[in-house]
Amino acid sequence: GNSVTQMEGPVTLSEEAFLTINCTYTATGYPSLFWYVQYPGEGLQLLLKATKADDKGSNKGFEATYRKETTSFHLEKGSVQVSDSAVYFCALSDRGSARQLTFGSGTQLTVLP
Amino acid sequence: NAGVTQTPKFQVLKTGQSMTLQCAQDMNHNSMYWYRQDPGMGLRLIYYSASEGTTDKGEVPNGYNVSRLNKREFSLRLESAAPSQTSVYFCASRPPGGGANEQFFGPGTRLTVL
Repeated sequence: GNSVTQMEGPVTLSEEAFLTINCTYTATGYPSLFWYVQYPGEGLQLLLKATKADDKGSNKGFEATYRKETTSFHLEKGSVQVSDSAVYFCALSDRGSARQLTFGSGTQLTVLP
Repeated sequence: NAGVTQTPKFQVLKTGQSMTLQCAQDMNHNSMYWYRQDPGMGLRLIYYSASEGTTDKGEVPNGYNVSRLNKREFSLRLESAAPSQTSVYFCASRPPGGGANEQFFGPGTRLTVL
């Protein structure tokens, strides 16, 4: 079956530091890949997505590239802010009729001023 | 346009009690989903409904039932709550189309079973 493995947290960085959160996946076929963000007390929001190999998703300074050869979709940001403190989830969507999402376990990021 | 709404936001039950979690979306989406979120485990799919009138089991369906009341509403029922069902429950919906369409999530229901 499908699975997503995420870098374990928590991750604590100083403001303006470089962020990488690793994500690898196992899936049959060609899934779509997503990063969701969850701020304290809220539901999940889509941060970025990619639908095919070598696609780069980007939003709010975050980027991730769909690497089929390494089955990875690592999240990066060049300079984090305190407001980026949240839990980040990597997920994949299969191409079945229900387009179910399979999530990684989440990575808690705390950015200190 | 409220998106995905869930009620209640918080609930405390005693073991053996029953309750229904409500979810509604106003985006005319076909597919709807129920997930539970537990510490260190991400979100796990309980049940989903690919379209009005259909429901299917996800990864962790035991102890739950669902009803797709109409295109807008998808409820989750716990018939006899157990402490293992203490969790945060999220409802989501998804527009029709290809795999690139993301799911939209509600704010969640935090359930504690004593």
